[in-house]
Amino acid sequence: DAKTTQPTSMDCAEGRAANLPCNHSTISGNEYVYWYRQIHSQGPQYIIHGLKNNETNEMASLIITEDRKSSTLILPHATLRDTAVYYCIVEGGSEKLVFGKGTKLTVNP
Amino acid sequence: DTGVSQDPRHKITKRGQNVTFRCDPISEHNRLYWYRQTLGQGPEFLTYFQNEAQLEKSRLLSDRFSAERPKGSFSTLEIQRTEQGDSAMYLCASSLSRVSGEKLFFGSGTQLSVL
Repeated sequence: DAKTTQPTSMDCAEGRAANLPCNHSTISGNEYVYWYRQIHSQGPQYIIHGLKNNETNEMASLIITEDRKSSTLILPHATLRDTAVYYCIVEGGSEKLVFGKGTKLTVNP
Repeated sequence: DTGVSQDPRHKITKRGQNVTFRCDPISEHNRLYWYRQTLGQGPEFLTYFQNEAQLEKSRLLSDRFSAERPKGSFSTLEIQRTEQGDSAMYLCASSLSRVSGEKLFFGSGTQLSVL
């Protein structure tokens, strides 16, 4: 079963930052937080992951709270092509990723 | 790096027929995963391979389902005596290894429709 809670849907204006929250209150010390997204009719695409520290790459930033019970994925300047379902996944040692239903992000012009 | 390739992209079959899907992972990736996704749901884990060894199978993988990775490279997923409930997107993913922190690369999937 998925170990995360995400809002079902969110909207964001094009050009603005999209902040997608994720709760993972039962996360254990060796578990990573992963973010993937899935654009319609495609396979999931890796975005970013982290353990304790905040992370940034060319796609997004990941902010993990100090107690690690929640995190936020930030898309700094959302475009229409960022419209997708975003999955927050917690995993460490189970050999596989368990997906929930994710957050449907709609970027509006 | 050509990415994970899946074939066919779409398959329509009649109930009771057998179907086989193929997945070509990224070259040198040791781990290969199969997932299934139905409309409005996230991908559900089915099974995974470490090289040619199938290490875990989900309870979702009934006796009608069989997966192979004979030489540790490409993999096939066969569904025998298909049922309408088998209609779904079948996704393949690969990774270089599976230590924590390793990311998965997914293919575009095979969309199965059972009539």
